[in-house]
Amino acid sequence: KQEVTQIPAALSVPEGENLVLNCSFTDSAIYNLQWFRQDPGKGLTSLLLIQSSQREQTSGRLNASLDKSSGRSTLYIAASQPGDSATYLCAVRPGNNNAGNMLTFGGGTRLMVKP
Amino acid sequence: NAGVTQTPKFQVLKTGQSMTLQCAQDMNHNSMYWYRQDPGMGLRLIYYSASEGTTDKGEVPNGYNVSRLNKREFSLRLESAAPSQTSVYFCASSPDRVSNEQYFGPGTRLTVT
Repeated sequence: KQEVTQIPAALSVPEGENLVLNCSFTDSAIYNLQWFRQDPGKGLTSLLLIQSSQREQTSGRLNASLDKSSGRSTLYIAASQPGDSATYLCAVRPGNNNAGNMLTFGGGTRLMVKP
Repeated sequence: NAGVTQTPKFQVLKTGQSMTLQCAQDMNHNSMYWYRQDPGMGLRLIYYSASEGTTDKGEVPNGYNVSRLNKREFSLRLESAAPSQTSVYFCASSPDRVSNEQYFGPGTRLTVT
């Protein structure tokens, strides 16, 4: 059974810092990995999606990397801003196509960026 | 274009009561999903519907039933609520069962006392 772990569970940084959020998964047979953002009381918004054949994806100040063989992904946030404060979740989709679009989520990292 | 909408936003139930959580999407998506989110545990899939007329169990289906009423609507029913079902429930949809992206609703916060 796939298990996804995110460390740390919470992180507080001053504005302007570069930071890295970690995601690890136990079964390397994945189809893709996604990073989501969740604001308090809101649903999830997709940030980046990395296919299993890719090593990284970038969007603005965000860069996500994937090392499938070691079961790890990182989300790098450059020049953090207070508006980046949210919970960040990673989710993996199994490589077995019979599983359809069933995602396994990590527990999330709650990020606070202080002005 | 409202995306994915859920009702109600908040609900308090007593143990043993029943209720239905409603979800609707206006994106003409084929696939819809129900998740629950508990503190520190991420989201876990309860049930999903790959297309209109079909439903399948996810990781944690016990204590729940679902109905795919039509292409737009996918409801989740708790027949006899238990305190262990206190959680935040999210509905999501995607164009089809193989599409990469899921679009999430704002969630329903349910407390069972």
